[in-house]
Amino acid sequence: GESVGLHLPTLSVQEGDNSIINCAYSNSASDYFIWYKQESGKGPQFIIDIRSNMDKRQGQRVTVLLNKTVKHLSLQIAATQPGDSAVYFCAEKPTGGGNKLTFGTGTQLKVEL
Amino acid sequence: DTGVSQNPRHKITKRGQNVTFRCDPISEHNRLYWYRQTLGQGPEFLTYFQNEAQLEKSRLLSDRFSAERPKGSFSTLEIQRTEQGDSAMYLCASSLRIDRAETQYFGPGTRLLVL
Repeated sequence: GESVGLHLPTLSVQEGDNSIINCAYSNSASDYFIWYKQESGKGPQFIIDIRSNMDKRQGQRVTVLLNKTVKHLSLQIAATQPGDSAVYFCAEKPTGGGNKLTFGTGTQLKVEL
Repeated sequence: DTGVSQNPRHKITKRGQNVTFRCDPISEHNRLYWYRQTLGQGPEFLTYFQNEAQLEKSRLLSDRFSAERPKGSFSTLEIQRTEQGDSAMYLCASSLRIDRAETQYFGPGTRLLVL
């Protein structure tokens, strides 16, 4: 399943399928990007990050892709599990913008059994 | 490593009262951040410290808000004369300054409800 992030805030996938969560970031000067997972009532949990000098980075079951040309970031989750159900946020750190992170509005991922 | 901890986890107060939240960062992390998150939105930056110095404050941080990190370890966020609009989740994060790609690790948050 695939979402367009800000336009489709909920993504439903079947257990075992791959998920793709998209994020359009705002600042072309951002040089660092992070994906966080947030479960209900909990703080954001770091998943994976990527610097602007890279276009792909892989973790355990997750891959982040960065397309600077169109200011687009995506998170791919392989073999989605029920425990992956959460809200996923992308965050960016603009160059020269201090150390604060600017978060997108998030995408709710629902994994159906 | 116990991660970032925050206390209390929940706070209910009446409008006009003062509240104070505490954040204990991951040990040896020299940077500490406060964010606010309202329902359905991503966290919004409020302020951050490097050691005991408060280096940046958001315009969201009105004069009713004050944050401290007196010894460069734990931090407190105080809200004076609370308003209903202050109801939100207050998140603390910490990081270790290495380079620009420093990961911020978040605590569980303090959920504030102002009646």
